[in-house]
Amino acid sequence: EAAVTQSPRNKVAVTGGKVTLSCNQTNNHNNMYWYRQDTGHGLRLIHYSYGAGSTEKGDIPDGYKASRPSQENFSLILELATPSQTSVYFCASGDQGRGERLFFGHGTKLSVL
Amino acid sequence: GQQVQQSPASLVLQEGENAELQCNFSSTATRLQWFYQRPGGSLVSLLSNPSGTKHTGRLTSTTVTKERRGSLHISSSQITDSGTYLCAMVGTGSKLSFGKGAKLTVSP
Repeated sequence: EAAVTQSPRNKVAVTGGKVTLSCNQTNNHNNMYWYRQDTGHGLRLIHYSYGAGSTEKGDIPDGYKASRPSQENFSLILELATPSQTSVYFCASGDQGRGERLFFGHGTKLSVL
Repeated sequence: GQQVQQSPASLVLQEGENAELQCNFSSTATRLQWFYQRPGGSLVSLLSNPSGTKHTGRLTSTTVTKERRGSLHISSSQITDSGTYLCAMVGTGSKLSFGKGAKLTVSP
């Protein structure tokens, strides 16, 4: 079974601080995604990547950066965290060649105080 | 942007009853995918369906991309089916856009 690992599982940050959420996949998938999930909004796409060195803006990229240094790793960076970024963040990987079935990590619960 | 609407938002069934979940989307999609989210958070891919009907176990997915709609049928529901079911459309550039989910509660 494909594996996507997120770290940390829980994070408390202060307003204005820098936060980095990490994601590692052992599936050798080309595509990776960062979503946030909030009550009333469902899952919203922040950034995604087609492979090492590529990042693309999703539907709600403002306030976030992404980095894909390798096939396995995809990070989400909040340079100046704000309370509105308090959410649960999910990373996913997928391989378009297999019908883009996505595999999700367990999520990171971020609280910005 | 791409929009996905799911209905109903919540559904309560007794064990053994069937569930029908609907998904409508606002723009061109190459496929629909259905996910299950366990209470507590992690998501599991159930079915990926570009068009027509697909079956796996007690699940049947029907996608009519030209009409921008799809559905997920769960037959003979079980208590362990309780959770949230999310529909996602795959649009341009392999981006998935999700609906807000349908919360299913199955009682004994």
